[in-house]
Amino acid sequence: DSGVTQTPKHLITATGQRVTLRCSPRSGDLSVYWYQQSLDQGLQFLIQYYNGEERAKGNILERFSAQQFPDLHSELNLSSLELGDSALYFCASSVGLASVLGDSYNEQFFGPGTRLTVL
Amino acid sequence: ELKVEQNPLFLSMQEGKNYTIYCNYSTTSDRLYWYRQDPGKSLESLFVLLSNGAVKQEGRLMASLDTKARLSTLHITAAVHDLSATYFCAVPLEGDSNYQLIWGAGTKLIIKP
Repeated sequence: DSGVTQTPKHLITATGQRVTLRCSPRSGDLSVYWYQQSLDQGLQFLIQYYNGEERAKGNILERFSAQQFPDLHSELNLSSLELGDSALYFCASSVGLASVLGDSYNEQFFGPGTRLTVL
Repeated sequence: ELKVEQNPLFLSMQEGKNYTIYCNYSTTSDRLYWYRQDPGKSLESLFVLLSNGAVKQEGRLMASLDTKARLSTLHITAAVHDLSATYFCAVPLEGDSNYQLIWGAGTKLIIKP
């Protein structure tokens, strides 16, 4: 158990709908990362937050948005869902930023994921 | 642009054999991460390699990093079925204080009894 929690575990919805995925980082971790993994695909980095601020964006669609709240949990909002959005969505957390930590591991610890199925 | 390439992408091997997975990356980086993912499951951190020449071992897995060659290897010794999984390497963007990781495509390893 990595200490990162994600809810829900499974989500089945229809095209055009909107869903929210939730992530709670490990205690003490300030950075949260969201990834998408389609079937038999690698990891696609979506977005990163650090202590409530957006820090980096990857290949995140405009239909997707995220935020990190003062208690450090994060939510990923997916709207106008399409069949191709069906995937595993992972949240990961790490201690912080390289500029703050200097030479440290800053490993990313992954949550169990949310499996989204769009019908 | 930093690219991370793993090979092979798929490997089927017999129990008891040895094999090596390679991870090449295109720009300088002083660290590299290896993760394991079981089918339908989350990613588990295996190794963090922090410097040139770093070598880490756990059980039948050994990882090494050559920053000059921009190469990391994950060596499997006397493979057992339980090691069947997909293995990912990841490299941080140099100078990126956000520590965004660039991921390899993953190596799917199947070990047959």
